[in-house]
Amino acid sequence: DVKVTQSSRYLVKRTGEKVFLECVQDMDHENMFWYRQDPGLGLRLIYFSYDVKMKEKGDIPEGYSVSREKKERFSLILESASTNQTSMYLCASSESGTRQPQHFGDGTRLSIL
Amino acid sequence: DAKTTQPNSMESNEEEPVHLPCNHSTISGTDYIHWYRQLPSQGPEYVIHGLTSNVNNRMASLAIAEDRKSSTLILHRATLRDAAVYYCILNYGGSQGNLIFGKGTKLSVKP
Repeated sequence: DVKVTQSSRYLVKRTGEKVFLECVQDMDHENMFWYRQDPGLGLRLIYFSYDVKMKEKGDIPEGYSVSREKKERFSLILESASTNQTSMYLCASSESGTRQPQHFGDGTRLSIL
Repeated sequence: DAKTTQPNSMESNEEEPVHLPCNHSTISGTDYIHWYRQLPSQGPEYVIHGLTSNVNNRMASLAIAEDRKSSTLILHRATLRDAAVYYCILNYGGSQGNLIFGKGTKLSVKP
């Protein structure tokens, strides 16, 4: 089975801190995604990567950056955390193409105080 | 984009079959039908997908109407662990292949 592992289930940080969320997948997938999920707003794509060192902005990239130095690892960085970035963050991976099933981690519930 | 319509909620008894419907009357010929579910406090989980023929896997079956305007996700024997929100989507919706969920069907399973 595909395994997508997110580094933390729960995280509490302070306003202005630089925050790193890590995601690792073990199925050699080309595509990796970072979403955030908020009540009433559904899933929103932050960034997408289709290969090592390649990244594409999603629908809400402001305040975030990403890094993909190795195929299995996709990191999300909050440059200067703000309270409106309190959310559930979900990482997913899939094989190349736009119709492949996406496999998700368990999510990181991030609170910014 | 083609849209899907699902009931807001359904109830089932444990160990009974569950049929979760989805209407997609504006589906195009190349749209795949995908099902995901999300258990409380967990990330979404891929369940099954298909184009025209019925599909089976270890989790569920997908029955697709002959005109493809509707489909049904079938859980053959519901367990308490199947209580989740089930999402029926067409072709993921996003320009980068990202998932866009509708409201989905919240399935409750009673012991």
